[in-house]
Amino acid sequence: DAGITQSPRYKITETGRQVTLMCHQTWSHSYMFWYRQDLGHGLRLIYYSAAADITDKGEVPDGYVVSRSKTENFPLTLESATRSQTSVYFCASSESDSIYGYTFGSGTRLTVV
Amino acid sequence: AQSVTQPDIHITVSEGASLELRCNYSYGATPYLFWYVQSPGQGLQLLLKYFSGDTLVQGIKGFEAEFKRSQSSFNLRKPSVHWSDAAEYFCAVARLMNTGFQKLVFGTGTRLLVSP
Repeated sequence: DAGITQSPRYKITETGRQVTLMCHQTWSHSYMFWYRQDLGHGLRLIYYSAAADITDKGEVPDGYVVSRSKTENFPLTLESATRSQTSVYFCASSESDSIYGYTFGSGTRLTVV
Repeated sequence: AQSVTQPDIHITVSEGASLELRCNYSYGATPYLFWYVQSPGQGLQLLLKYFSGDTLVQGIKGFEAEFKRSQSSFNLRKPSVHWSDAAEYFCAVARLMNTGFQKLVFGTGTRLLVSP
């Protein structure tokens, strides 16, 4: 299917475990982003990528790792999950610049117990 | 730094009544401004955007927004709300990074409740 897909939709993991959230887009958009959404904070940027093999930190990168070996994929890894990382995670993509606006995935709800 | 403020955490509107959601931005130049909507359990969908030109912008689903430089505002409006408009609404501004890339900075959102 065309678009941007995130998997899994829901995930429960234990403190200290490594977990990877997947994001796949079919448009060959250059830019991809990871946001987390928390009550009272809105959406905060974790990491973004301008192209394959080019990534950069956002506002809240600590505890997260990203990679982008292929244009269409942008996985987000929590190296050692903590309860403070319980959140809803959104992946987004953009053609070349944010003036076109972002297209968002449906999100992954992650619970760390 | 560019930022966005949405002063209303939640708003309740009767079905059929008009709606206005407030958004104030902080930016030195002419900003790029956006409104997104998030339905329950869904991702964010772009409603409309403002780059330049006409200060009244039309979007999808019957929404419009007006850019007012003098008030640093970009309020979202709809003349008649439908029950399906119940959702969370986010205002965003594009922020220029050192790399030349512009990233979106979001407000904290306003939850719209629609009463019968």
